[in-house]
Amino acid sequence: NAGVMQNPRHLVRRRGQEARLRCSPMKGHSHVYWYRQLPEEGLKFMVYLQKENIIDESGMPKERFSAEFPKEGPSILRIQQVVRGDSAAYFCASSPYQTGNTEAFFGQGTRLTVV
Amino acid sequence: KQEVTQIPAALSVPEGENLVLNCSFTDSAIYNLQWFRQDPGKGLTSLLLIQSSQREQTSGRLNASLDKSSGRSTLYIAASQPGDSATYLCAVRPATGANNLFFGTGTRLTVIP
Repeated sequence: NAGVMQNPRHLVRRRGQEARLRCSPMKGHSHVYWYRQLPEEGLKFMVYLQKENIIDESGMPKERFSAEFPKEGPSILRIQQVVRGDSAAYFCASSPYQTGNTEAFFGQGTRLTVV
Repeated sequence: KQEVTQIPAALSVPEGENLVLNCSFTDSAIYNLQWFRQDPGKGLTSLLLIQSSQREQTSGRLNASLDKSSGRSTLYIAASQPGDSATYLCAVRPATGANNLFFGTGTRLTVIP
């Protein structure tokens, strides 16, 4: 089992460009969570998705950010018109089902730098 | 809203010393609590998962305890080694409402050879 795979590991974007971050959950996992870690801060929840459904996006900024988890392929976190404040590490976690007793498995993260 | 606090923010100890990291949370209605390790520039590695019905979990030199009613958890590391140097994060999963984890800001541990 390859674990949760995120790519790219590092991403540099100029202000105003789009950033696309990908997350492939562990095999057999159909629930994906995205978190953001700003410099010197803890991880903050952004969005929770199941296949083809957004379950909870209460942590997502209202503008420029979107996420999807299609029936086929990885989950995508998209940031449009990036700004310097978007520079952070973005982590994806997956679980096999929704029940709260499951352990969360995290990917290695994507470090986004906006220049 | 659940808030998770970790103290101290940073800790330096000489190699071989036993140490305790603390985690507190404001809402005791949780499914579980998870301790992670994060190396600089790396992802999160799960260390221990304690279900709400459990009091402690052990893995090698690590022992995590949970006192749900008082909203506290500790991570005990025995006979520390330089390779233990990392940031340790605790996270709780609420039993109601949100399905995500709430993280503390971590304790940065340095073990001095």
